[in-house]
Amino acid sequence: ETGVTQTPRHLVMGMTNKKSLKCEQHLGHNAMYWYKQSAKKPLELMFVYNFKEQTENNSVPSRFSPECPNSSHLFLHLHTLQPEDSALYLCASSQVATSGNRLWSYNEQFFGPGTRLTVL
Amino acid sequence: TQLLEQSPQFLSIQEGENLTVYCNSSSVFSSLQWYRQEPGEGPVLLVTVVTGGEVKKLKRLTFQFGDARKDSSLHITAAQPGDTGLYLCAGINTGFQKLVFGTGTRLLVSP
Repeated sequence: ETGVTQTPRHLVMGMTNKKSLKCEQHLGHNAMYWYKQSAKKPLELMFVYNFKEQTENNSVPSRFSPECPNSSHLFLHLHTLQPEDSALYLCASSQVATSGNRLWSYNEQFFGPGTRLTVL
Repeated sequence: TQLLEQSPQFLSIQEGENLTVYCNSSSVFSSLQWYRQEPGEGPVLLVTVVTGGEVKKLKRLTFQFGDARKDSSLHITAAQPGDTGLYLCAGINTGFQKLVFGTGTRLLVSP
């Protein structure tokens, strides 16, 4: 496998189900991201993980729960979702640099193909 | 909140035509990126422009960053069906990881 992979590619779930989305990056990067892409809004950043630590939660409802067990894997656990949560969920990774305790560099983000989620 | 508005939202043209997509904001960005997203795939980076007034060319695609670093344009010459996709601009602020994505332009090039 190369690049950023996501599974499953398609998911249909009921509002009471619990499911998880998986992302794996094969690029040796140290930062990973979850984005939501819906039809009527620009791509929205949900979560950022740097060196396995969550550094950004963009006011995402608690029914979305991310997990980053190591720098190559990222999960998004879903429970009691709403129909308006139906969207394409994209994972991305990048290499970031630090100076002291501060993140100071930005490099290209590489995106996975996404999981098309439908909540019934 | 920083916003990036793209225009047009949709564009349907014939092969061989030229087109320009615009990306505008009231905010200044340190650099700006353009991505193309094809159906069933994630966005793929096309170019990064970092200097006000900068022009970059990628084969038939020409990208320009506005002098004030608040806007950008993408011009495609002699469009081909392979150019079909969703074009996204994304603004970047120095030292920050967050990309601010534009509203997107969906392009369809028919043979």
